[in-house]
Amino acid sequence: NAGVTQTPKFRILKIGQSMTLQCAQDMNHNYMYWYRQDPGMGLKLIYYSVGAGITDKGEVPNGYNVSRSTTEDFPLRLELAAPSQTSVYFCASSYGSQKTYEQYFGPGTRLTVT
Amino acid sequence: KNQVEQSPQSLIILEGKNCTLQCNYTVSPFSNLRWYKQDTGRGPVSLTIMTFSENTKSNGRYTATLDADTKQSSLHITASQLSDSASYICVVSAGDSSYKLIFGSGTRLLVRP
Repeated sequence: NAGVTQTPKFRILKIGQSMTLQCAQDMNHNYMYWYRQDPGMGLKLIYYSVGAGITDKGEVPNGYNVSRSTTEDFPLRLELAAPSQTSVYFCASSYGSQKTYEQYFGPGTRLTVT
Repeated sequence: KNQVEQSPQSLIILEGKNCTLQCNYTVSPFSNLRWYKQDTGRGPVSLTIMTFSENTKSNGRYTATLDADTKQSSLHITASQLSDSASYICVVSAGDSSYKLIFGSGTRLLVRP
């Protein structure tokens, strides 16, 4: 199993550009998540999905969009990049929402917006 | 407001020594508490998950404790190794949405030879 994979690893965007961060998992997990990690701060939940076709906002959803057309894939879209979106983005997945289900994280995408 | 505070922010120890990292939380209702290890440039990896009824849990040289009354947790690392150099993140799950996690900012540990 590859686990949770993310592409690209690094990206530099100009203000106003758009891009999609890709995330895929091969563990047949129902739940998938997008987080951002800013320097010196805890991870913040952007969006999550409880299954194909179902998504919901997390704590910091502004400026982002997601879709979940398959169980495996959960892309994150940035429409008009802003410097405040400079961060490291992590995708994660879990089997379900039970209390002790682990979340498995991908390696992250480091995004810089200039 | 749900919060997770960790101390110290950073720590340097010599290889072979023990250390203890602290976590205080104000999360209600409490569901479970997790410790993650995050190597530089990598995603977090789970070390332990503890529910309300558990007050200690081990994973090799890592031992986590939980005091739900005082809302404190600690992570003890025994006989540290160079590979323990990483950030250690305390994460608390609120009872109303167990998959929504509240992350601390982490303790950055450096183990020196």
